[in-house]
Amino acid sequence: GIQVEQSPPDLILQEGANSTLRCNFSDSVNNLQWFHQNPWGQLINLFYIPSGTKQNGRLSATTVATERYSLLYISSSQTTDSGVYFCAVGDGNYQLIWGAGTKLIIKP
Amino acid sequence: EPEVTQTPSHQVTQMGQEVILRCVPISNHLYFYWYRQILGQKVEFLVSFYNNEISEKSEIFDDQFSVERPDGSNFTLKIRSTKLEDSAMYFCASSPSPLTTGLPYTQYFGPGTRLTVL
Repeated sequence: GIQVEQSPPDLILQEGANSTLRCNFSDSVNNLQWFHQNPWGQLINLFYIPSGTKQNGRLSATTVATERYSLLYISSSQTTDSGVYFCAVGDGNYQLIWGAGTKLIIKP
Repeated sequence: EPEVTQTPSHQVTQMGQEVILRCVPISNHLYFYWYRQILGQKVEFLVSFYNNEISEKSEIFDDQFSVERPDGSNFTLKIRSTKLEDSAMYFCASSPSPLTTGLPYTQYFGPGTRLTVL
C-alpha cells in the first residue's frame, strides 16, 4: 500500500516565523488532504489538494503529484498554529492513509 | 457551514462492556467513515460505509466492531466487548458523492469521541 512520510517530525519556532512542512507519498494519489490537530484533539480540514497550489490566509499548500510530494507553508506563525499537522492521501479506494504528522510548537 | 457531529465527546467504560459511538454526518453526504487514533500515534482507518453496506474495512475492524446507519441521519460504531487497547480517539467522517463534486471522496471529520477503557 501507499506509504506517507512527513518531515520534520518536530518543529519549534518563534512567533512570527515562517515554516514549511513536507509530505512524501510513495504512489499516485487522487486525494490529498492536510489537517491540523489542535490541542483538544480535533482534526481541522486545511486543504484538499491532490495537485496544484492553494492559499487560505497565512496558510498555503502545493502538491507536485508527478514528484509525489506536498508542501504546507505557514507564514507569520501564531501561537494558535501550534499542534500536529497531518497529511493524508487516498488512491481511489475509500480510506485515507495518514502520515505520522509534524508536531509544531510556536513560542511567544 | 455544515459539520459532522459526534457524541459523546468522552466515554469511559469498563473492559468487556459494549459501547456505541454516535455520529451525525453532513446531511447530503453519502459516504461515511470511522477512524481511530491511539494517543500519540497516527490516525488509522477502520471502515467505510456506502449505500447501507460496508465498502472497505481494515484489519483492525474485526468481529468485535460493527457499524450501522439506523435512520436517515445517524451513523454508529459499536464495539461489542471493549479491551484496554481500544482506548483511543474515534473520528467519524463523511464525504459527498464524487458525481456531484467531481472530487474523489474529500472527507470531513467530526471532533472525535475519546474512549477510555478501564
